[in-house]
Amino acid sequence: GNSVTQMEGPVTLSEEAFLTINCTYTATGYPSLFWYVQYPGEGLQLLLKATKADDKGSNKGFEATYRKETTSFHLEKGSVQVSDSAVYFCALSPRRADGLTFGKGTHLIIQP
Amino acid sequence: EPEVTQTPSHQVTQMGQEVILRCVPISNHLYFYWYRQILGQKVEFLVSFYNNEISEKSEIFDDQFSVERPDGSNFTLKIRSTKLEDSAMYFCASSQGATGGQPQHFGDGTRLSIL
Repeated sequence: GNSVTQMEGPVTLSEEAFLTINCTYTATGYPSLFWYVQYPGEGLQLLLKATKADDKGSNKGFEATYRKETTSFHLEKGSVQVSDSAVYFCALSPRRADGLTFGKGTHLIIQP
Repeated sequence: EPEVTQTPSHQVTQMGQEVILRCVPISNHLYFYWYRQILGQKVEFLVSFYNNEISEKSEIFDDQFSVERPDGSNFTLKIRSTKLEDSAMYFCASSQGATGGQPQHFGDGTRLSIL
């Protein structure tokens, strides 16, 4: 079946540090890949997406590249801010299915 | 920016009772979804709905659950004979097209507590 594996958290960084949150997936066919972010007390917000191999999704300084050869979609940001503190979810959607498959989420804490 | 709205934000129900969770998807969206997140666990897909019928459901979505679009704007999840293990955060989502490249937009969730 389909699955998403994310690095365990919490991940604690200082402001302006470089961020990487690892995500790998198992899926049949060619899924679309997503990163969602959940701020405290809020719902899931789409952060970025990629629909085919070598696509790079980007938004708000975050980037992730769809790597089919390594089945990965790692999230990166060059310089994090305190406001980036949240839980980040990697997710996939197979082409012929509706439901998203989520990873467990990574809690990111940015300290001033 | 249009958003998915869910009510109530928190629902407390006695075990064995029926509960209805409500959602108003984004108005021009055609696909609707329910997910749940048990505390400390993954967000799990329950069901998708398109053209007034269930499009896909997970093994979690058994006879205890049902969904309905009673009018042109609401999308509901009914849980019958609630159990303690139904306590979770329930998220509604909607999308313009079928998931593939179309992102799903989520509401803020309803926290369901079964006593």
